[in-house]
Amino acid sequence: ETGVTQTPRHLVMGMTNKKSLKCEQHLGHNAMYWYKQSAKKPLELMFVYNFKEQTENNSVPSRFSPECPNSSHLFLHLHTLQPEDSALYLCASSALGGGNEKLFFGSGTQLSVL
Amino acid sequence: GQQVMQIPQYQHVQEGEDFTTYCNSSTTLSNIQWYKQRPGGHPVFLIQLVKSGEVKKQKRLTFQFGEAKKNSSLHITATQTTDVGTYFCAGPYGGSNYKLTFGKGTLLTVNP
Repeated sequence: ETGVTQTPRHLVMGMTNKKSLKCEQHLGHNAMYWYKQSAKKPLELMFVYNFKEQTENNSVPSRFSPECPNSSHLFLHLHTLQPEDSALYLCASSALGGGNEKLFFGSGTQLSVL
Repeated sequence: GQQVMQIPQYQHVQEGEDFTTYCNSSTTLSNIQWYKQRPGGHPVFLIQLVKSGEVKKQKRLTFQFGEAKKNSSLHITATQTTDVGTYFCAGPYGGSNYKLTFGKGTLLTVNP
């Protein structure tokens, strides 16, 4: 248990569906992240929220829409995805400041887009 | 943009053999982090190196940060089957400590 909980663990969706991924952290951290992990590619940073403010949108297509209602919760809303969006989506959190911004990852959502 | 290269991509060893993975950045890093991801799992933070030439040890794992702060290595002595997984290095970019560029990782498999 890392203190970062992601649901669902697995998700299969069609290209016309709308779904949401949920992440909750119980570590008192002030930053939350969405990362995408595809086969044969490095972990890709998608979004960063620092104190609920989005500070990074790493050229992510608009079919991915993040939401951070407070510093403990993070959502990733998905709509009209493409098969190439199939990947493991990892949420992470960290405590910013102090120079030790190590990431705590959740278990991820394995997404398959048909 | 900043690139972080890791070699080798895969490494298969017999249990008891040593293992080393290397990480090289195209730019000087303020610090470097290492993570381990077990098969079917998620990345778990191992260590952060900050100082030029820094060496840190965790039991059988030895981490080094190069003098120029552009490369790093992770060495495992006498591998065990519990060491199986993918080892990633990551360095910050864009002037912030929280936006990390990850290497592709080295997948270590250990034959018992």
